[in-house]
Amino acid sequence: GENVEQHPSTLSVQEGDSAVIKCTYSDSASNYFPWYKQELGKGPQLIIDIRSNVGEKKDQRIAVTLNKTAKHFSLHITETQPEDSAVYFCAASPWRPSGGYNKLIFGAGTRLAVHP
Amino acid sequence: NAGVTQTPKFRVLKTGQSMTLLCAQDMNHEYMYWYRQDPGMGLRLIHYSVGEGTTAKGEVPDGYNVSRLKKQNFLLGLESAAPSQTSVYFCASSYEDYGYTFGSGTRLTVV
Repeated sequence: GENVEQHPSTLSVQEGDSAVIKCTYSDSASNYFPWYKQELGKGPQLIIDIRSNVGEKKDQRIAVTLNKTAKHFSLHITETQPEDSAVYFCAASPWRPSGGYNKLIFGAGTRLAVHP
Repeated sequence: NAGVTQTPKFRVLKTGQSMTLLCAQDMNHEYMYWYRQDPGMGLRLIHYSVGEGTTAKGEVPDGYNVSRLKKQNFLLGLESAAPSQTSVYFCASSYEDYGYTFGSGTRLTVV
């Protein structure tokens, strides 16, 4: 069945360094790829998303890149800060604008620790 | 703007007991979802709804039932709780099937 693999499961970096989290998906029909950040005791929060007609998207210190041929996408965080410490989830879905539900499959998550 | 509100936040049940988790959203979203989160397994979809009066099964629906009598509310029921249902439960909603807004979760322990 559909599957999203996420690596690494834990990531520790020094403040100011960059962090990269990678996800691989199995369903070639997937064309919507969101990333969520979950802080301790809270629900996941959407931080950035990308659709398959775009190869890269940036929002300040975060960026997402997509390689549809290889079926993988990555989250890049530059100039990391302690408040970036959280669990990050990737997800994939065969989004179609005509309506109907398209199942969002989540990766297992990456626990990022940013040390001062 | 409250977004998605889940009640209760914590609950301990004995095996065989029943309970209902309530999810309420004030964003006029059509789509609502119930997920469970277990260590190392990410988020798994239990049930979802694409509109008032509709529900459908997700990846792990066994042992759960849902109802969407009002557009703003999505209820998750456990008829006979089992220890395997110990988890953190998240409700989410969306206008279309992307850009989910999650609640803060319910931590359920079944003993």
